[in-house]
Amino acid sequence: LAKTTQPISMDSYEGQEVNITCSHNNIATNDYITWYQQFPSQGPRFIIQGYKTKVTNEVASLFIPADRKSSTLSLPRVSLSDTAVYYCLVGSSYSGGGADGLTFGKGTHLIIQP
Amino acid sequence: EAGVAQSPRYKIIEKRQSVAFWCNPISGHATLYWYQQILGQGPKLLIQFQNNGVVDDSQLPKDRFSAERLKGVDSTLKIQPAKLEDSAVYLCASSPASSGNTIYFGEGSWLTVV
Repeated sequence: LAKTTQPISMDSYEGQEVNITCSHNNIATNDYITWYQQFPSQGPRFIIQGYKTKVTNEVASLFIPADRKSSTLSLPRVSLSDTAVYYCLVGSSYSGGGADGLTFGKGTHLIIQP
Repeated sequence: EAGVAQSPRYKIIEKRQSVAFWCNPISGHATLYWYQQILGQGPKLLIQFQNNGVVDDSQLPKDRFSAERLKGVDSTLKIQPAKLEDSAVYLCASSPASSGNTIYFGEGSWLTVV
């Protein structure tokens, strides 16, 4: 499974756009890039997934350059409630269906201040 | 759609005692995972099931941990005997057959071994 590297922590302020970059130099052809968010006392929650270029949903955008060796999660106009740990993962679908068990790193602890 | 259900939510036991956690995945999800999350770290995959068969249990400490998914739906994770270092959150997750690599997590079961 491809290893990922992301900053341990980041600070920002309410209303700002936050970009968290993840490096995954040995990503495989079949790998997707997925970001999860985790609040204290809860399990990780799926945010967004992409394979290449740009993906946008109601929560975030994901930018993936052509070489796919990195990706950037963009959170527009953050609020205090966006304070959480954000995990970047790469992996592919298990051949029998469903996802390969994903390998989580330590994630990025994002702190939003008023 | 109901999420992944886990119980008990919290458990405190003494070392050398046993404990069991139960998980009911999202309906129709063939793949089920158990993760261990120690405070301050990302989740670590313990075991992955596809229906009632084991796909990956390479990181499961088999001398004390066991898991089963007899009918391909619910699953139980057992620890016997527990050690102090088993204190962690045990997260159950599931994914459907065609999810890319999207995994849906439960709230977790918090274990404290004293």
